[in-house]
Amino acid sequence: QKEVEQNSGPLSVPEGAIASLNCTYSDRGSQSFFWYRQYSGKSPELIMFIYSNGDKEDGRFTAQLNKASQYVSLLIRDSQPSDSATYLCAVNMRAGGTSYGKLTFGQGTILTVHP
Amino acid sequence: GAGVSQSPSNKVTEKGKDVELRCDPISGHTALYWYRQRLGQGLEFLIYFQGNSAPDKSGLPSDRFSAERTGESVSTLTIQRTQQEDSAVYLCASSPQTGTGNTIYFGEGSWLTVV
Repeated sequence: QKEVEQNSGPLSVPEGAIASLNCTYSDRGSQSFFWYRQYSGKSPELIMFIYSNGDKEDGRFTAQLNKASQYVSLLIRDSQPSDSATYLCAVNMRAGGTSYGKLTFGQGTILTVHP
Repeated sequence: GAGVSQSPSNKVTEKGKDVELRCDPISGHTALYWYRQRLGQGLEFLIYFQGNSAPDKSGLPSDRFSAERTGESVSTLTIQRTQQEDSAVYLCASSPQTGTGNTIYFGEGSWLTVV
């Protein structure tokens, strides 16, 4: 089982729709969770992070975390063609007594928003 | 500078040559990562430095790959006897690792082509 799993997609949604991106992780002790966006040929850039169960909203983006189910998701409301990119889920895996372990990334989900 | 700086931005080398890639993290960031990303693929973890702890080298694909970091500053990734399958973008990232702040920030990458 991969440590962080994402559906590779591609996920295609029409402009204005809600895009839902999902991620599961294997380490129940994971502490912090991140969503990055990567445009083709560019480096990943941070969209959001979440540490606590529940929802966290930032503009058109909502991150949802369910630690019991080991599941984190990203919702993009009113999707725009400019949202077309690869979305990477990253999880801070435990590291034996230290406060933070290394971030582990999923393989990414390709999102295409069509006009 | 304000961000993670990597050099060279592009490197073309002949098969069998050694290459060195450099990363200057954000000042004050104690954690530093190297990732590899082949064309159209996800992020592949290579190595993780955290302060004075022993680095996590679990992602290095072979003994041709090595990395060093001087204190909490510059890191160098060295690839010996390069092979064509080493062609990829090599991404460096750093993180403050303080409080709840373990967000990582990426450089623009070093694009390596082995011919």
